Amino acid sequence: DSGVTQTPKHLITATGQRVTLRCSPRSGDLSVYWYQQSLDQGLQFLIQYYNGEERAKGNILERFSAQQFPDLHSELNLSSLELGDSALYFCASSPGLVNEQFFGPGTRLTVL
Amino acid sequence: DQQVKQNSPSLSVQEGRISILNCDYTNSMFDYFLWYKKYPAEGPTFLISISSIKDKNEDGRFTVFLNKSAKHLSLHIVPSQPGDSAVYFCAASDQTGANNLFFGTGTRLTVIP
Repeated sequence: DSGVTQTPKHLITATGQRVTLRCSPRSGDLSVYWYQQSLDQGLQFLIQYYNGEERAKGNILERFSAQQFPDLHSELNLSSLELGDSALYFCASSPGLVNEQFFGPGTRLTVL
Repeated sequence: DQQVKQNSPSLSVQEGRISILNCDYTNSMFDYFLWYKKYPAEGPTFLISISSIKDKNEDGRFTVFLNKSAKHLSLHIVPSQPGDSAVYFCAASDQTGANNLFFGTGTRLTVIP
């Protein structure tokens, strides 16, 4: 158990809908990262927050947004969902701006 | 464009033998490399890392080797155990300070008892 929690574990929704994925980092970790893993692909970095501020952006679509709250939990919002958004979404956290990141179990999103 | 590549999608090894997983990268700005292990229905678990100032790092049965000139790293597991069966991801970060990770597509290791 990495100490990073993600909810929900599974999510099934329809095209055009909007969903919110939630992540609670390890106690004391200030950095939160979101990654997307599509079928047979590596993990693709989406976005990073550090102590409430956006720190880095990767290949995140404009339909996706995220935020980190004062209690350091983070939410990833996915809107106008398309079939291709079906993937595993992982959240990771780290104590600061260090490389070793600790991953949650992921949320499996299925868009029908 | 995949900046970190793991060209072997799968590898099978007998228990007790050495497992060697390979990883290549294209971005010369990468300065820190990590290996993660992933079991089904779980998130990746950090295994071992190496900074670009070193060419080897060892932790128990796991050793990572870095060849900067060839832009290649490898993970050696000796001796391999059935519990090592998992998907292994190579990852790298660059010098921009953002410390987000670039992942390879993974190699599925099967250790045969």
